[in-house]
Amino acid sequence: QVQLQQSGPGLVKPSQTLSLTCAISGDTVSSNSATWNWIRQSPSGGLEWLGRTYYRSKWYNDYGVSVEGRITFNPDTSKNQFSLQLNSVTPEDTAVYYCARQWRGLLDNWGQGTLVTVSS
Amino acid sequence: DIQMTQSPSSLSTSVGDRVTITCRASQGISNYLAWYQQQPGKVPKLLIYAASALQSGVPSRFSGSGSGTDFTLTISSLQPEDVATYYCQKYNSVPLTFGGGTKVEIK
Repeated sequence: QVQLQQSGPGLVKPSQTLSLTCAISGDTVSSNSATWNWIRQSPSGGLEWLGRTYYRSKWYNDYGVSVEGRITFNPDTSKNQFSLQLNSVTPEDTAVYYCARQWRGLLDNWGQGTLVTVSS
Repeated sequence: DIQMTQSPSSLSTSVGDRVTITCRASQGISNYLAWYQQQPGKVPKLLIYAASALQSGVPSRFSGSGSGTDFTLTISSLQPEDVATYYCQKYNSVPLTFGGGTKVEIK
């Protein structure tokens, strides 16, 4: 049974960096079969894929178009977790952020979600 | 990038009615199409993958069809617990794009 547990602050000031962590149980971040994704859901409701990190003999990252250049993923094999850093945030980055495992193409396990508000 | 367009954006119908939601891809994606259900206040849950395969534990009143660019999610007999927003998502390649969602309510 794969479980993803998210942690991180719920309030970030404009221009600062949003940081969230997703701890994995029941799988490993260095799995050769899975990818580890971040998705967000704006207050208007739509789901936006932000990107993923994964290991296939070395680490790879893919990024969503809207955040490319501002986003970083950091897998941590010692803690079996992965993290998201989104730089230079604005109020438009206010959303519920989810981590999720992609396995055989599908987002089959999701974290509980973290509401992050960007406000001074 | 491929865009995913869902219709309708919302619907309201009676318990026991048949519900049909459509999803259109701007380019062909074969059958690399998944449907997710998000009940109010909850995390999205995988319902259907490969356009028509039911995820384990999903009631048989849910079904999916389609290939290429046009896909359909059908609920054969709407139940109160099916009140949710439904999203399609392509997974043939990155970016993993979602449709805009269809909110299903009970009349």
